[in-house]
Amino acid sequence: GESVGLHLPTLSVQEGDNSIINCAYSNSASDYFIWYKQESGKGPQFIIDIRSNMDKRQGQRVTVLLNKTVKHLSLQIAATQPGDSAVYFCAENIYENAGNMLTFGGGTRLMVKP
Amino acid sequence: EPEVTQTPSHQVTQMGQEVILRCVPISNHLYFYWYRQILGQKVEFLVSFYNNEISEKSEIFDDQFSVERPDGSNFTLKIRSTKLEDSAMYFCASSEEVGNTIYFGEGSWLTVV
Repeated sequence: GESVGLHLPTLSVQEGDNSIINCAYSNSASDYFIWYKQESGKGPQFIIDIRSNMDKRQGQRVTVLLNKTVKHLSLQIAATQPGDSAVYFCAENIYENAGNMLTFGGGTRLMVKP
Repeated sequence: EPEVTQTPSHQVTQMGQEVILRCVPISNHLYFYWYRQILGQKVEFLVSFYNNEISEKSEIFDDQFSVERPDGSNFTLKIRSTKLEDSAMYFCASSEEVGNTIYFGEGSWLTVV
């Protein structure tokens, strides 16, 4: 079949507001989760991670929440700034053998209105 | 701050030609990876490399692909005979250990014509 580009869900927020980006992961065996930010034409940039023995972790202006029961991950960005505009990906990881393979989600585009 | 560096940033190649993408992982990292992202699509895992051998690879990483650590600093991805569908952004990444943060480079944009 024809390859179709990914249609990204978009979250549009006003500068200064809080943003919440959600992600559903697929594998109940996943034990490590990461949020990456990707600006246009650049590589994924690490934001924050969380391990499966935690349900919340806070960084600078960002918080990740993990709900293993429903396999759901969220990224909260406080006081969103124009520089936060990017595509945000969640990624999950299962430690197998000596590997460290990340499975990325489809991404959410965050647009911050000044 | 240490970073993963990749060269070239952009390469255009004819179908059937060999391409080598180069990466310098973060210096104290032991695990190295290649991922790719076709325009408008998800980032996809290709291969992981540890202790001078492949530790995991995806279905995408077929016989046309190979990786090498030719010296103490470089990590390369070779595509032996490029196809149009190999056009993508290729990201190199590295991590200190299994389960540690994986840091990505800025990518090499490959266009096969």
